Amino acid sequence: SAVISQKPSRDICQRGTSLTIQCQVDSQVTMMFWYRQQPGQSLTLIATANQGSEATYESGFVIDKFPISRPNLTFSTLTVSNMSPEDSSIYLCSVDSMGVGEQFFGPGTRLTVL
Amino acid sequence: GQQLNQSPQSMFIQEGEDVSMNCTSSSIFNTWLWYKQDPGEGPVLLIALYKAGELTSNGRLTAQFGITRKDSFLNISASIPSDVGIYFCAGPLNTNAGKSTFGDGTTLTVKP
Repeated sequence: SAVISQKPSRDICQRGTSLTIQCQVDSQVTMMFWYRQQPGQSLTLIATANQGSEATYESGFVIDKFPISRPNLTFSTLTVSNMSPEDSSIYLCSVDSMGVGEQFFGPGTRLTVL
Repeated sequence: GQQLNQSPQSMFIQEGEDVSMNCTSSSIFNTWLWYKQDPGEGPVLLIALYKAGELTSNGRLTAQFGITRKDSFLNISASIPSDVGIYFCAGPLNTNAGKSTFGDGTTLTVKP
């Protein structure tokens, strides 16, 4: 298993601002992912964070809105840009440390946009 | 796309009762995963299933991978208050094992 931490754990932000969320893993992993969980909803994959190259985004998510960095195999950031109240969600990073589909999740970042 | 339909959406049970929830899809999955999410936490993997027909247990939890590879169920026996949470089924998207699609979840409430 992998131990994953996220910062911040929660934040309240003003409309139009940006927030960068950090994800740190206790071991080197190839596959790292960012999910969004809107209130009362399931998890939706935003993108795969690729080390050393641009992230791979899922349909409905774009780099301008959710820029992602992956400078090494233990760390990634997700920025939520030009926020609106619709961006209020829990943002979760996860890793597939064994490459077989089993994912380990961070505790999430609870974002509220006013 | 590949979608997972999970039922029931919510359950209210008495402590000590058994629970059953299931997940179906119109697409074939090669892996079925069951997660539990406690309030304020990320999902935690409970059981992973890799073979059609496979039946796997983890303590009071039992899950089966349907023979058609289009469904799975999760049973919890003798429920306790700490079983409260949201249970998600999930399956890897297409051939990339790392990415998963998640069901809508089953919210379980256990009354002492």
